[in-house]
Amino acid sequence: GAGVSQSPSNKVTEKGKDVELRCDPISGHTALYWYRQSLGQGLEFLIYFQGNSAPDKSGLPSDRFSAERTGGSVSTLTIQRTQQEDSAVYLCASNHGVGQPQHFGDGTRLSIL
Amino acid sequence: SQQGEEDPQALSIQEGENATMNCSYKTSINNLQWYRQNSGRGLVHLILIRSNEREKHSGRLRVTLDTSKKSSSLLITASRAADTASYFCATDVGGNNRLAFGKGNQVVVIP
Repeated sequence: GAGVSQSPSNKVTEKGKDVELRCDPISGHTALYWYRQSLGQGLEFLIYFQGNSAPDKSGLPSDRFSAERTGGSVSTLTIQRTQQEDSAVYLCASNHGVGQPQHFGDGTRLSIL
Repeated sequence: SQQGEEDPQALSIQEGENATMNCSYKTSINNLQWYRQNSGRGLVHLILIRSNEREKHSGRLRVTLDTSKKSSSLLITASRAADTASYFCATDVGGNNRLAFGKGNQVVVIP
């Protein structure tokens, strides 16, 4: 597609449920990033995929968070046993790699009740 | 640790005026980037300035970088109502393109 696509755009779920957030990067982009944006913490890096290399998971806040990127394209961010503090906007970005601007999707707004 | 940090001020200006916002960071960088975010949308890349560059222009935008002071500024000239948005600086520290963002500056341009 023309840009980074994220789905769903909004997700409301109950505390304790698992959620999956999807990101379709720009075709041909080798690098994919997940960030979280919340009022209290600003924009936080979560995880980074580059080609076939092992992902940089250093920003994941807990072991309830995981992400995968299948076939070097689509990525899924999974949050297990959601907590209220997980409520935030989850943004995905992609680019051609190091030193290049990142292209962002519009994010998934996650609300945990 | 937080790298890019904008001056925590909200700007409210009249259309046609210039808007300037600043960003400081703590450690050496490979590049510094500015992004814009409209309400409810993702971030849009504006300008990337590398550590060996001092100034860069793109249309009505001018970015400066002072590595000795570890600071950058974004100037929007002849502002328009459509420039109303939040502006973030971000630094690429480790060369892996993992960005550290500042908290953002909210700019309101009054028609």
